[in-house]
Amino acid sequence: IAGITQAPTSQILAAGRRMTLRCTQDMRHNAMYWYRQDLGLGLRLIHYSNTAGTTGKGEVPDGYSVSRANTDDFPLTLASAVPSQTSVYFCASSDGGGSDTQYFGPGTRLTVL
Amino acid sequence: GQNIDQPTEMTATEGAIVQINCTYQTSGFNGLFWYQQHAGEAPTFLSYNVLDGLEEKGRFSSFLSRSKGYSYLLLKELQMKDSASYLCAVKDNDYKLSFGAGTTVTVRA
Repeated sequence: IAGITQAPTSQILAAGRRMTLRCTQDMRHNAMYWYRQDLGLGLRLIHYSNTAGTTGKGEVPDGYSVSRANTDDFPLTLASAVPSQTSVYFCASSDGGGSDTQYFGPGTRLTVL
Repeated sequence: GQNIDQPTEMTATEGAIVQINCTYQTSGFNGLFWYQQHAGEAPTFLSYNVLDGLEEKGRFSSFLSRSKGYSYLLLKELQMKDSASYLCAVKDNDYKLSFGAGTTVTVRA
């Protein structure tokens, strides 16, 4: 593994189903983030974690939950998917340096029917 | 809330220069980032400005004026591979990034 990986790459899901998007980083970054990207709206923060064991809500947290049991993994769960959650989901982590630059995973394209 | 504005689309010719403007109104300021995103791919980091002035990295430069809430990304000697979306993002007082909707740059031969 190099950097950030996300799984699955894409998924089609029936409304009402539960889904967990996986994110793993091997850079030992303390902070991790989940964003969704929709046409014309840009990237919007769903949840974040500043360090293992802590999480926080972003701009659009409703319908999503996260956990951060260790430094490397930051899964995002949709408890009961709805069509408005159709989007591309990006996980990111940041290096905590002076700029605290965020680095992004390859994304998961999710379609909820 | 945060307000970050950038043009939706720009078109330029190979070898030319393009300037992408970004204006912002945010709750505090702890740095401005530019990312490049090719279609279907992840955003990749281009530049970071926290102080006023110009930062140059090869063909790409980024400028910041904090008093005006303004930044631009300058792409010189455009190449076809520069066709992508360019995202302006501001880190606010809570150290969270807020993104603009992105500017799609199309480079034509």
